Amino acid sequence: DARVTQTPRHKVTEMGQEVTMRCQPILGHNTVFWYRQTMMQGLELLAYFRNRAPLDDSGMPKDRFSAEMPDATLATLKIQPSEPRDSAVYFCASGLGDRNTDTQYFGPGTRLTVL
Amino acid sequence: GEDVEQSLFLSVREGDSSVINCTYTDSSSTYLYWYKQEPGAGLQLLTYIFSNMDMKQDQRLTVLLNKKDKHLSLRIADTQTGDSAIYFCAESMGNYGGSQGNLIFGKGTKLSVKP
Repeated sequence: DARVTQTPRHKVTEMGQEVTMRCQPILGHNTVFWYRQTMMQGLELLAYFRNRAPLDDSGMPKDRFSAEMPDATLATLKIQPSEPRDSAVYFCASGLGDRNTDTQYFGPGTRLTVL
Repeated sequence: GEDVEQSLFLSVREGDSSVINCTYTDSSSTYLYWYKQEPGAGLQLLTYIFSNMDMKQDQRLTVLLNKKDKHLSLRIADTQTGDSAIYFCAESMGNYGGSQGNLIFGKGTKLSVKP
């Protein structure tokens, strides 16, 4: 049963600390997306990759957020330094990126709390 | 710009039909999606419809698309308490016209099913 996995599922940290979230896309998927979900803003696209290359990270605060794909099986989202306003659920999604559909498959999310 | 709008809440009684509505702005959208999010979980793809279709039915789910009015609806027949969740509408332009395959999500409609 192929699915997107994310670690950790929950993270509580103090303001100023570095946070790293990891995502393993479905094997064979070549597009990876990072989203942030909050009650106020809903679902926001932070960044996405195709074939490990970043295509768009305009939704991401550049001064503290960074997203990378060290290899095809791992995507990371890092926040340094973290702030209380970063508290949210962060979702990773992956897709085939084929010409027929943009179906995205979501992971279970990382719930981040910054104190 | 692209925008997807949904009403925020819907409450129905168990056994009734639920209709969740969505409007979108980009007439060049190729695919339109419905995702379901249960508490504490990621978004799960329910169904999608290609823009040249008017209707798609899948068991208890019926998707209706009015391309002229840019209106999409999701009907759930015989709604059950297990259908209580947040339902997200999303649009995509596919991999054409400069789109890189990302989805534009609405803010979600919270469906509450009362026994």
